[in-house]
Amino acid sequence: GDSVTQMEGPVTLSEEAFLTINCTYTATGYPSLFWYVQYPGEGLQLLLKATKADDKGSNKGFEATYRKETTSFHLEKGSVQVSDSAVYFCALRGISSGSARQLTFGSGTQLTVLP
Amino acid sequence: NAGVTQTPKFRVLKTGQSMTLLCAQDMNHEYMYWYRQDPGMGLRLIHYSVGEGTTAKGEVPDGYNVSRLKKQNFLLGLESAAPSQTSVYFCASSYLGGTSLNEQFFGPGTRLTVL
Repeated sequence: GDSVTQMEGPVTLSEEAFLTINCTYTATGYPSLFWYVQYPGEGLQLLLKATKADDKGSNKGFEATYRKETTSFHLEKGSVQVSDSAVYFCALRGISSGSARQLTFGSGTQLTVLP
Repeated sequence: NAGVTQTPKFRVLKTGQSMTLLCAQDMNHEYMYWYRQDPGMGLRLIHYSVGEGTTAKGEVPDGYNVSRLKKQNFLLGLESAAPSQTSVYFCASSYLGGTSLNEQFFGPGTRLTVL
């Protein structure tokens, strides 16, 4: 079945540092890929998405590129802020989800940005 | 527009007790989902519904029941709670439109502890 493997955390960075959170996946065909963010005490929010190979999703300074050849969707940001402190989840929706259209999530990566 | 709301936010149960978690959405979404979030495991799908009056099992349905009597509400029931059901429960909904990229909107979560 489908699966998502995410870089283990927690990750602690200083403000303005470069961020990379690795995400790789296993799925049949061409899944849609997502990054969700969960701020403390809140539900998950969609951060960015990509639907086909070489697509780049971007939002709020975050970027991720759909790499079919390496089955990866790594999240990057050039300069993190304290307000980016949150848990980040990589997810996919594959063809095996069928009528449920459910998401398969990675385990999440806790990011803490220090001032 | 409240989005997806969940009731209650916190609950402590004793083993064997029952309870119902309520999820409500005001976006006229067709699809609704219940996930559980456990440390180091990401989110896993418990049950889902593709429309009013329909429900189906997800990845981890044992010990839970659901009902979708009204389009805007999706109830998750625990008939006889067990310590293994200690978790954070998230409800989500999505619109079934003309695109396959139906973003899921999440509620704030319910933290359940079973003693």
